[in-house]
Amino acid sequence: DAGITQSPRHKVTETGTPVTLRCHQTENHRYMYWYRQDPGHGLRLIHYSYGVKDTDKGEVSDGYSVSRSKTEDFLLTLESATSSQTSVYFCAISDPGTGVAEQYFGPGTRLTVT
Amino acid sequence: AQSVSQHNHHVILSEAASLELGCNYSYGGTVNLFWYVQYPGQHLQLLLKYFSGDPLVKGIKGFEAEFIKSKFSFNLRKPSVQWSDTAEYFCAFSKGASGTYKYIFGTGTRLKVLA
Repeated sequence: DAGITQSPRHKVTETGTPVTLRCHQTENHRYMYWYRQDPGHGLRLIHYSYGVKDTDKGEVSDGYSVSRSKTEDFLLTLESATSSQTSVYFCAISDPGTGVAEQYFGPGTRLTVT
Repeated sequence: AQSVSQHNHHVILSEAASLELGCNYSYGGTVNLFWYVQYPGQHLQLLLKYFSGDPLVKGIKGFEAEFIKSKFSFNLRKPSVQWSDTAEYFCAFSKGASGTYKYIFGTGTRLKVLA
């Protein structure tokens, strides 16, 4: 398995509070991604990064922000959590610079917003 | 907008039955295609991938998929399923011949294999 860790693995928080999820990789891959997984929707891209300090929005970015200050870390912040953000969040990495590349996924973070 | 359709949302099979899961993508250019599997409570793992060349690709655990460009399809097959194949299966694609960085996923197919 690729060296990807996510923290925390489980979190329960209240509506209106800020939440930060962390993704850490040891593969030195250039690209990092945050997805959310919800029943009936599959995986939807929230934000992705193509290098340190280089990020862009995905299809469901409203209410989320990201930061990448180091190659190995990609943070996802929910500015003010809402119940609709209850989901499982997956981080993924890839390195297209080496050719066409598949993604490798982290173990996921289950977030519940009450 | 580009998308991936997985028409079978839930599939139930008995052990030793043959499996075919449908996947169609909507994009007219060159694509890279993937099938991922997610076992209960786990993260997604790559089953197989197609970038170019032979349209019939073989993956892990006896799975294979065939790219049919004219049908925009990349169906997943396995001749004889096992109970341990119970999982959710996701089809995905990315655009271009190389260097692409965004992947579009289907909504998944839940497979249940009865022992």
